[in-house]
Amino acid sequence: KQEVTQIPAALSVPEGENLVLNCSFTDSAIYNLQWFRQDPGKGLTSLLLIQSSQREQTSGRLNASLDKSSGRSTLYIAASQPGDSATYLCAVIPQGGSEKLVFGKGTKLTVNP
Amino acid sequence: DAGVTQSPTHLIKTRGQHVTLRCSPISGHKSVSWYQQVLGQGPQFIFQYYEKEERGRGNFPDRFSARQFPNYSSELNVNALLLGDSALYLCASSLAQRQQSYTFGSGTRLTVV
Repeated sequence: KQEVTQIPAALSVPEGENLVLNCSFTDSAIYNLQWFRQDPGKGLTSLLLIQSSQREQTSGRLNASLDKSSGRSTLYIAASQPGDSATYLCAVIPQGGSEKLVFGKGTKLTVNP
Repeated sequence: DAGVTQSPTHLIKTRGQHVTLRCSPISGHKSVSWYQQVLGQGPQFIFQYYEKEERGRGNFPDRFSARQFPNYSSELNVNALLLGDSALYLCASSLAQRQQSYTFGSGTRLTVV
């Protein structure tokens, strides 16, 4: 059974700091990994999608990497801003069976002005 | 283009009642999935539908059911509501069953009292 873990559960940083969020998964047989952002009480916004054959994806100040063999992904946020404050969720689609997303519990990020 | 739309946005029901939640996918998207997110947790997979057929079911009781219509919109039905069904219900759509990027709606907040 695929399990996804995100560390840390919460993170508080001053504005301008570069930061890394971690995601690990137990089974390397995945189709892809997707990072989402969720504001309080809201739906999910897709940030980056990494196919299983890729190593990283970049969008603006965000960079996500994938090491499938070790079951790890990182989301790097450069020059953090207060508007980046949200919960960041990592999800994988396991190979085989239905194409469901398996989510971690998320990392709650607070960027202080 | 409109994103994934869900209705209603908020709902309060009494234990034992029935509820129907609705989702309209992005135009052209044929796959719709439903997720339940309780406070402090990552979303949990409930159902996936593709071309009006159920293609996956998560570990939820038979009180939960869903269907997809010819226009690819979907309904999630929950019977005999329990207090523990209180959660944010999220709908996600994608182009095809093997499409690997999902777009989420803003969710329906269900409170069971």
